[in-house]
Amino acid sequence: DGGITQSPKYLFRKEGQNVTLSCEQNLNHDAMYWYRQDPGQGLRLIYYSQIVNDFQKGDIAEGYSVSREKKESFPLTVTSAQKNPTAFYLCASNSGRGYNEQFFGPGTRLTVL
Amino acid sequence: KQEVTQIPAALSVPEGENLVLNCSFTDSAIYNLQWFRQDPGKGLTSLLLIQSSQREQTSGRLNASLDKSSGRSTLYIAASQPGDSATYLCAVMGFQKLVFGTGTRLLVSP
Repeated sequence: DGGITQSPKYLFRKEGQNVTLSCEQNLNHDAMYWYRQDPGQGLRLIYYSQIVNDFQKGDIAEGYSVSREKKESFPLTVTSAQKNPTAFYLCASNSGRGYNEQFFGPGTRLTVL
Repeated sequence: KQEVTQIPAALSVPEGENLVLNCSFTDSAIYNLQWFRQDPGKGLTSLLLIQSSQREQTSGRLNASLDKSSGRSTLYIAASQPGDSATYLCAVMGFQKLVFGTGTRLLVSP
């Protein structure tokens, strides 16, 4: 089956720790995205990548980092600099051309203890 | 800066009703508009994609329209069912990224 997988589904972090969220897609899509979702708010863009070895900051990139070493993978690291990391994180992809549909993974819920 | 608004924020209807969800956006320079469904604790499922040159798209009981000049889209759900209960999100694609509304939470009662 083609799609986007995210792992883990639930993640718990102690304050001061960095954690990495995994996102993998087998849709052969060029573009990948990371969003954060908080209750009562829309999705907010953290980082995106249009091509391997290149990525851009979204609207709320502070305290996050990404890499894009492979076309199918776009991991997100939530660093200790992120002041309020508890949220639902969603990964998405599309073919990279602006006219095309964006697909989403099932999400990772991160909780800081 | 693009802003997307969805009205109403929440909607509760009895089964069988036809209903309309509204989405408005401030910048008409968009590539497309996409409607999504989100169940609690889950990712987003794409329902309909309307290109900027199109006026509407249909899929089963769903029909979405787009009036780019006025910055509006509607999602029409015919003969609603309890399984339609979810949050519905619209998003507009500008240069390289989607901008989302905050969603309409729909509850369809049996």
